[in-house]
Amino acid sequence: ETGVTQTPRHLVMGMTNKKSLKCEQHLGHNAMYWYKQSAKKPLELMFVYSLEERVENNSVPSRFSPECPNSSHLFLHLHTLQPEDSALYLCASSQDLSEVMNTEAFFGQGTRLTVV
Amino acid sequence: DAKTTQPPSMDCAEGRAANLPCNHSTISGNEYVYWYRQIHSQGPQYIIHGLKNNETNEMASLIITEDRKSSTLILPHATLRDTAVYYCIVPHISNFGNEKLTFGTGTRLTIIP
Repeated sequence: ETGVTQTPRHLVMGMTNKKSLKCEQHLGHNAMYWYKQSAKKPLELMFVYSLEERVENNSVPSRFSPECPNSSHLFLHLHTLQPEDSALYLCASSQDLSEVMNTEAFFGQGTRLTVV
Repeated sequence: DAKTTQPPSMDCAEGRAANLPCNHSTISGNEYVYWYRQIHSQGPQYIIHGLKNNETNEMASLIITEDRKSSTLILPHATLRDTAVYYCIVPHISNFGNEKLTFGTGTRLTIIP
């Protein structure tokens, strides 16, 4: 139990569906992140939020839409996805935006997404 | 960016010490070395980090060479639950000016009964 909770753990969706992934942290952290991990590939950073503001978007297609309504919650809205978007989507949080300045990042268990 | 190089895989007998090497020859003076691990189908888990001095916590020890160009993560008494992919990371500045963790392919450590 890392203090970062992701739901659902597994999701199967069609290419025309709209779904949302949810991430919740009660660690009092100010920064939250979405990562994507495809099969046999390294983790890729998708989005970074600091104090509810998006501060980084790493060339992610617009069919992925993040939302951070408050410092404890982060969503990833999905629409018209492609089969190649099937992956493990991981949420993480850290005390501050400078996650690596003598601090650590806490990861959720991830959502295993399958697009059919 | 300070890149890291790790062996793709290693085996270790249960109960023995697992020593995982990492090369980071382009690391700069103020960059930390971080270690995370990822057990199958779970999120990465922080293990330890260090700057210059050797570090130890309840999970592992981190030995950093004097020139800081390489480090070794030591799991003193490996158990089957330590089977995972281990990532050695030197954070870098992104195009947006933020420091961030970049995960490579890591070392797949298998603990053998």
